[in-house]
Amino acid sequence: EPEVTQTPSHQVTQMGQEVILRCVPISNHLYFYWYRQILGQKVEFLVSFYNNEISEKSEIFDDQFSVERPDGSNFTLKIRSTKLEDSAMYFCASSGRLGNQPQHFGDGTRLSIL
Amino acid sequence: DAKTTQPPSMDCAEGRAANLPCNHSTISGNEYVYWYRQIHSQGPQYIIHGLKNNETNEMASLIITEDRKSSTLILPHATLRDTAVYYCIVRGGDNFNTDKLIFGTGTRLQVFP
Repeated sequence: EPEVTQTPSHQVTQMGQEVILRCVPISNHLYFYWYRQILGQKVEFLVSFYNNEISEKSEIFDDQFSVERPDGSNFTLKIRSTKLEDSAMYFCASSGRLGNQPQHFGDGTRLSIL
Repeated sequence: DAKTTQPPSMDCAEGRAANLPCNHSTISGNEYVYWYRQIHSQGPQYIIHGLKNNETNEMASLIITEDRKSSTLILPHATLRDTAVYYCIVRGGDNFNTDKLIFGTGTRLQVFP
């Protein structure tokens, strides 16, 4: 069964450094998402992406965040200058269409900011 | 905020059916009810979804009331591996501009031997 894959599984970074989290969505999917989950808290929406542009973003997704689909298979989340509070699990998801097709999630990248 | 209300926790004996309720009294006509689960800190796993008819797949059944204000996820024969947090999420809308999943705190299901 096709799945969303994320790399790395764990990323440790010094505060202030840039980090790129990578995702390979399911191959025929057109809609892409990033979510995050701070330890012990809810899963929170960050951004959705369709047709090479952001379709929606949350308040969390400020100027230090960016997303890109650099080629036909990868979908990346970049955090330019990491802060301690960026430490969280970051989940990528993809879906074939809106509404009545599910979003499928990867197993996440655990980001630890020191 | 999440548009759904779920009990914070439930227990179920292994081999028995687990029935997880969800209230979504403000659901609108073209919004779907989705169920996901999260085991430990793994990514949320899609289980099932429906609009107004009952649905069944290899993992579970979804029963939606006629007025669509509540639903029940049924795991027919719970196993220890079904221990997880289960999320009921309303998704979709009039123009599908809002496609994000809004997660609440879910129901923590503990399956015991």
